[in-house]
Parts: sequence; C-alpha cells; structure tokens
Amino acid sequence: DTGVSQDPRHKITKRGQNVTFRCDPISEHNRLYWYRQTLGQGPEFLTYFQNEAQLEKSRLLSDRFSAERPKGSFSTLEIQRTEQGDSAMYLCASSFLGELNGYTFGSGTRLTVV
Amino acid sequence: DQQVKQNSPSLSVQEGRISILNCDYTNSMFDYFLWYKKYPAEGPTFLISISSIKDKNEDGRFTVFLNKSAKHLSLHIVPSQPGDSAVYFCASAYGGSQGNLIFGKGTKLSVKP
Repeated sequence: DTGVSQDPRHKITKRGQNVTFRCDPISEHNRLYWYRQTLGQGPEFLTYFQNEAQLEKSRLLSDRFSAERPKGSFSTLEIQRTEQGDSAMYLCASSFLGELNGYTFGSGTRLTVV
Repeated sequence: DQQVKQNSPSLSVQEGRISILNCDYTNSMFDYFLWYKKYPAEGPTFLISISSIKDKNEDGRFTVFLNKSAKHLSLHIVPSQPGDSAVYFCASAYGGSQGNLIFGKGTKLSVKP
C-alpha cells in the first residue's frame, strides 16, 4: 500500500467556482478524516467517516462544503461557490477504528481561490 | 480558544545539540498526545506519541515528556540533525473524540550544520 493519496495536489480556481478533491485512504483503514490547514495554523478537523457513514462534522464545515465516501473506500470533498477564505491546504487522513498511532495523512491538496 | 498551544513559532539549533520543542494544553480531558513532523508540500508524518498514563516515551533520538499537572509536554531530539529541520506539530486527543486530533500551530525547527 502506498499510503493515503490525494488528488489533485494543487488547484487554482476563480471565486464562485465549485471544486472537488479526492482522497484514497490506506485500504484496510475504515476511518477517513478531512482537515484544513491555513497559513501559520495547525490542521483543523472538518469531518470524518467510518466506512461510508459520515459521523461528525465540525462547525468549520459550512453548508458550501460537502463530503462523501460512497462505498466506504475513497472520499470526495466538494466546495461550492468558493471564496477567497477557502484558500488552504486540505488534508485527508485515515486510520483503523480511530487508532491514533496508525493515523496517516496524505500530502494534501493546496487550494488557491483567486 | 486554542486548546493546544505551541508558543514558539521557530527554533534554531546547532547540529549535534539538543532540540526541545514545547507544547501546552488546556483541556484536562486529553489523554493522548502526538507529535507530527511536516516538510513543505507534504502532509504531517507521525513521529512519537504518549498516553496520559505515562510521563515519558522514547524512540531513538526522540523523547516525549508529559507533565500532566502542568498540562505541558515537550519533545526532545538528541542529537539534532539537519534533516530534522521541519515544522513540528503537537496534537492531542481524548477518549471520546473518535480520533479527531486537535493541533497546535506548530514550531519551525531549523538545525544548522
């Protein structure tokens, strides 16, 4: 297994456009997490899935954000009507049942909204 | 309100010397603590962790110390190497958090040859 994969690595979009990111977790991991990291900050939790069920959403996840994990494998994070404040690194992580030592992050998707 | 605080944005150390990175937390429910290392354009990589039932955990050159009464933990790197230059994040979790980590803002370590 090559770890957690995220695609694309970079995305530049115009304000008001919709964007979608993909995350492929480690295959045996049943939990998948999305975080956002802005400049000078640590990663901030957005949402997580156990298998295909989305079990928790942060208050940071406005109604313009939606995440899915339709078959309990890969996940997508969509941002509608992007704003400049959405510019950040979006990180995906996976783990087995929340086991913390095995918590593995992907390399992230860098979003720039112009 | 920041529940996990890393008050030093940066630290510069000479190669071969000890690097000490500090982290303070405010939530007494936290019972597990982790350190992550992050290089530019990469995701955080797990380094070392400690449970609240311990006060020290060691892995090679890396040792984490936990002082529960002070709500403080530190990461010691001995000896420091230029390849250790990165941003180090402290993260915390508690039993009911379902694995959601709360991160500090990070400390950028520079190890000079």
